[in-house]
Amino acid sequence: EMVMTQSPATLSASPGERATLSCRASQSLSSNLAWYQQRPGQAPRLLIYFASVRATGVPARFSGSESGTEFTLTISSLQSEDFAVYYCQQYNNWPFTFGQGTKLEIK
Amino acid sequence: QVQLQESGPGLVKPSQTLSLTCTVSGDSIINGYYYWSWIRQPAGKGLEYIGRLYTSGNTDYNPSLKSRVTISMDTSKNLFFLNLTSVSAADTAVYYCARDYGDYEFALKTWGQGTMVTVSS
Repeated sequence: EMVMTQSPATLSASPGERATLSCRASQSLSSNLAWYQQRPGQAPRLLIYFASVRATGVPARFSGSESGTEFTLTISSLQSEDFAVYYCQQYNNWPFTFGQGTKLEIK
Repeated sequence: QVQLQESGPGLVKPSQTLSLTCTVSGDSIINGYYYWSWIRQPAGKGLEYIGRLYTSGNTDYNPSLKSRVTISMDTSKNLFFLNLTSVSAADTAVYYCARDYGDYEFALKTWGQGTMVTVSS
């Protein structure tokens, strides 16, 4: 089973700041990686797929990138609604697996 | 626009079978090339992919649950189902149904709101 490791576990930031979240895969993913946002009490919401493609309706401040087995979600200027938990997920090898999540909290 | 809604008992006794239904609206479950999935999340923890069902009826199950899981569908009612046998407290979680982007893009684009299932006597 492919292991996805997210860092940091918690990120404290202020509105307007830039946030960078990381996800490392234990093997190559051929860009088959997604990022999800989960607010308290809600289902996850797809933000990014194929490592860097924004899903429909996702604001342009969200972007994804990859370098080998390292993946990054960047939020360019944090809005109040962005403080949530973020998960990466690989869908290159079955069983598809998620990272343990990064909680983005208000500083 | 497709929408998904989970339903089922909120409380299941240990050793019994957990059975959930996902109602699909806004599109036919047999249209296109989609995987219909179940994912779960214990309280305060991360997400676990249980398994998925292709439009053709083929299934993939997480090996960690494979001996206990069945995912099926009723095309006449536009429903798909999760059965998990021999449950224990470790199966207590919010269960989500979801659909991918389709056309072999497996990111989960559409999610239900989730349903909480507690395993307890």
